[in-house]
Amino acid sequence: GENVEQHPSTLSVQEGDSAVIKCTYSDSASNYFPWYKQELGKGPQLIIDIRSNVGEKKDQRIAVTLNKTAKHFSLHITETQPEDSAVYFCAAPLLAGGTSYGKLTFGQGTILTVHP
Amino acid sequence: DSGVTQTPKHLITATGQRVTLRCSPRSGDLSVYWYQQSLDQGLQFLIHYYNGEERAKGNILERFSAQQFPDLHSELNLSSLELGDSALYFCASSHGRRPSGNTIYFGEGSWLTVV
Repeated sequence: GENVEQHPSTLSVQEGDSAVIKCTYSDSASNYFPWYKQELGKGPQLIIDIRSNVGEKKDQRIAVTLNKTAKHFSLHITETQPEDSAVYFCAAPLLAGGTSYGKLTFGQGTILTVHP
Repeated sequence: DSGVTQTPKHLITATGQRVTLRCSPRSGDLSVYWYQQSLDQGLQFLIHYYNGEERAKGNILERFSAQQFPDLHSELNLSSLELGDSALYFCASSHGRRPSGNTIYFGEGSWLTVV
């Protein structure tokens, strides 16, 4: 079926360490892969995205990699800080189901805790 | 502040009742999306409207309906409410008609509690 699988569900790291969150998607036609950060009591906020014609994208301490053949993409956070603690969601526009507009489908989320 | 405005922020109502959640998209955005977030189901896509027309439908119950008005604001109507409908309901908006390649901005959500 149409889905986006995200792992791990929880991730605990020490300040300064790196954190990696991985997602796989089912629809080979998906061409856009955003990552969102959700802090307590707030809505999800886009932190980085990647399009299918690019294999990697970086923005300061955050990077995303994409492997279209394997249909998976990953979020990498380096030099983690306590303020990075939040829930992170990956997403992909799954186009199956008879619609050409796609449904931005989210993974189940990863609770990242960065310990000082 | 994403620019997406949702009201009310919190709502408590009884089973069997009907509520309306309201969303104003970011200025200039033509697409409005509704999502439901619960602890056990994560962020579930409900429905997408572009410039007043329905574009995609997700796991939206028949008891739920939505519409986008000419001024582009949107309303999500939830009727015959059940305890399991308690959740955080997010509205999101984007400029383009497709979720691919268009940054989607989320509001702060409407927290619905059904008692």
